[in-house]
Amino acid sequence: SSELTQDPAVSVALGQTVRITCQGDSLRNYYASWYQQKPGQAPVLVVFDKNKRPSGIPDRFSGSSSGNTASLTITGAQAVDEADYYCNSRDRSGNHAVFGGGTKLTVL
Amino acid sequence: EVQLVESGGGVVRPGGSLRLSCVASGFTFDDYAMSWVRQAPGKGPEWVSSISWNGGSIGYADSVKGRFTISRDNTKNSLFLQMNSLRAEDTALYHCVRVYTGSYYLAFDIWGQGTMVIVSS
Repeated sequence: SSELTQDPAVSVALGQTVRITCQGDSLRNYYASWYQQKPGQAPVLVVFDKNKRPSGIPDRFSGSSSGNTASLTITGAQAVDEADYYCNSRDRSGNHAVFGGGTKLTVL
Repeated sequence: EVQLVESGGGVVRPGGSLRLSCVASGFTFDDYAMSWVRQAPGKGPEWVSSISWNGGSIGYADSVKGRFTISRDNTKNSLFLQMNSLRAEDTALYHCVRVYTGSYYLAFDIWGQGTMVIVSS
């Protein structure tokens, strides 16, 4: 089982705001990174560190953290945002990396 | 263009070996730690191994420790994964990934498209 826990599926109406969460003990010490993956494609980093986005990632993607929970928020979800989303962080030891099980986002 | 291209995957019998390679381009390879991350069919990513910029620090997931060996050749902008004693559960798409890290985060910012490893009798 993963050290990071995500809800398997979340849905959002087009144009609305959705929050995807990731829980784990290591998140008390480390920020989560978030990845978007569409079918047949490699994951793409969308948010990392406290709340940073790589070049080219729309500003509707943002990250936050509280206690043992990290969140990815999509403000004004678009049809193109329908994908699987994964969080990752260092593990509790700080020496290894760990991924969450993923959340399938459906945009209605 | 920043790019990672993997090769070396294939079909192998249980107990067999494979050596994966990854060639990097478009960035200064020895400025970065690198990792291998795998995805079994229909599953999420699983971190496999990481190596620091100079090879001085290496880590493995418990599931592959003692069977897999990561290495790099900075003169050839290349990353490798030697996989021995392969098991059916090692079947996955193996991605070469660039590590972007800070004091309080670990991110994989560039991903290759992957090379498929199938372990089957």
